[in-house]
Amino acid sequence: RKEVEQDPGPFNVPEGATVAFNCTYSNSASQSFFWYRQDCRKEPKLLMSVYSSGNEDGRFTAQLNRASQYISLLIRDSKLSDSATYLCVVNDFQKLVFGTGTRLLVSP
Amino acid sequence: GAVVSQHPSRVICKSGTSVKIECRSLDFQATTMFWYRQFPKQSLMLMATSNEGSKATYEQGVEKDKFLINHASLTLSTLTVTSAHPEDSSFYICSAKGGFEQYFGPGTRLTVT
Repeated sequence: RKEVEQDPGPFNVPEGATVAFNCTYSNSASQSFFWYRQDCRKEPKLLMSVYSSGNEDGRFTAQLNRASQYISLLIRDSKLSDSATYLCVVNDFQKLVFGTGTRLLVSP
Repeated sequence: GAVVSQHPSRVICKSGTSVKIECRSLDFQATTMFWYRQFPKQSLMLMATSNEGSKATYEQGVEKDKFLINHASLTLSTLTVTSAHPEDSSFYICSAKGGFEQYFGPGTRLTVT
């Protein structure tokens, strides 16, 4: 079983749509959690950290459920520029473990 | 945010040759740097953790004699792929730890022919 699992997609949505990505992780001792964004042939960039209480940054909302070892990312009012691969990332003892990513395509 | 550079951004080399990739933290000191590899449509896989002034710690399955890492200063780490083979062709990304966050370099695309 992979340490971090994501649906690879792609998710094809129209502009303005709301889309949600999910991720599960296997190590219950994982310490911190993140969503990164990766554009084609580029390095990953931190989108947001994920907290148990849930956190929001503009159109993006992240949620963590430690009991279920489940992380989610919600994007509201999708923009064309949101098209990218979204990586679920778990910090295990100072090492970042990456999921394979979920690809999002936002169309006009 | 903090900036990490990598050089070269793209390299093509012949099988059997060695390639050196540099990773620099431009505006902060990084005691720890990480080297990742990403094959097409796969996740980033950590290869090794590099601490300034000490030997790198390699992940299971990564050959330390093939992937030589040197972290000689607080702003520079290098990865040398020795005796490269076509299966080493990949996207190599470094990151540098500044405070609690990791900052990623732009990556180096290696093609071994």
